[in-house]
Amino acid sequence: SSELTQDPAVSVALGQTVRITCQGDSLRSYYASWYQQKPGQAPVLVIYGKNNRPSGIPDRFSGSSSGNTASLTITGAQAEDEADYYCNSRDSSGNHLNYVFGTGTKVTVL
Amino acid sequence: QVQLQESGPGLVKPSETLSLTCAVSGYSISSGYYWGWIRQPPGKGLEWIGSIYHSGSTYYNPSLKSRVTISVDTSKNQFSLKLSSVTAADTAVYYCARRRGSDPIYYFDYWGQGTLVTVSS
Repeated sequence: SSELTQDPAVSVALGQTVRITCQGDSLRSYYASWYQQKPGQAPVLVIYGKNNRPSGIPDRFSGSSSGNTASLTITGAQAEDEADYYCNSRDSSGNHLNYVFGTGTKVTVL
Repeated sequence: QVQLQESGPGLVKPSETLSLTCAVSGYSISSGYYWGWIRQPPGKGLEWIGSIYHSGSTYYNPSLKSRVTISVDTSKNQFSLKLSSVTAADTAVYYCARRRGSDPIYYFDYWGQGTLVTVSS
């Protein structure tokens, strides 16, 4: 099955911009979706498709994609954005019916 | 508002079968979409287990396929997970979620709060 690779951890100063990347072959066929997970809580969808935000997600979250890499950008990071972030896409190997999650990135807001 | 709620035993003995149910409210499973199970071992990342359509069509993670069964009960508006021959490696928080989308966009838009299942004698 496919794999999605993310940097384990990144840090960003309060109010600055941070980009989280997700790399994998499946991203050449499918868009990534992105999830924010705070300690002890369930993941929350923040970005899906080309650059779509569910209702209630601040517009400082945006997504982009190029080739085998998807990116989640937080523009003007806030303290409450400190969390783990996971990408996800459909698996392009085999019968294309499976899903794979990225390895996760821990975002620290300084 | 769509809500999902997992339920089931929090402790399962090694070699036994883990059974969980996800009750859905605010949306009828019969209306469509896929419904899935995802797990997260303590301190680790997310792993997709499998998904089911309201018709009963299922898709499983190849690494778990031999041990997993997901079923749906549209009359109760819920779906279930069974994972057989469990070991300590199956200890995790188990989430249920709704999957939406069509090629090439797929996403899990609603999640349950998760339930911790510990495998131990």
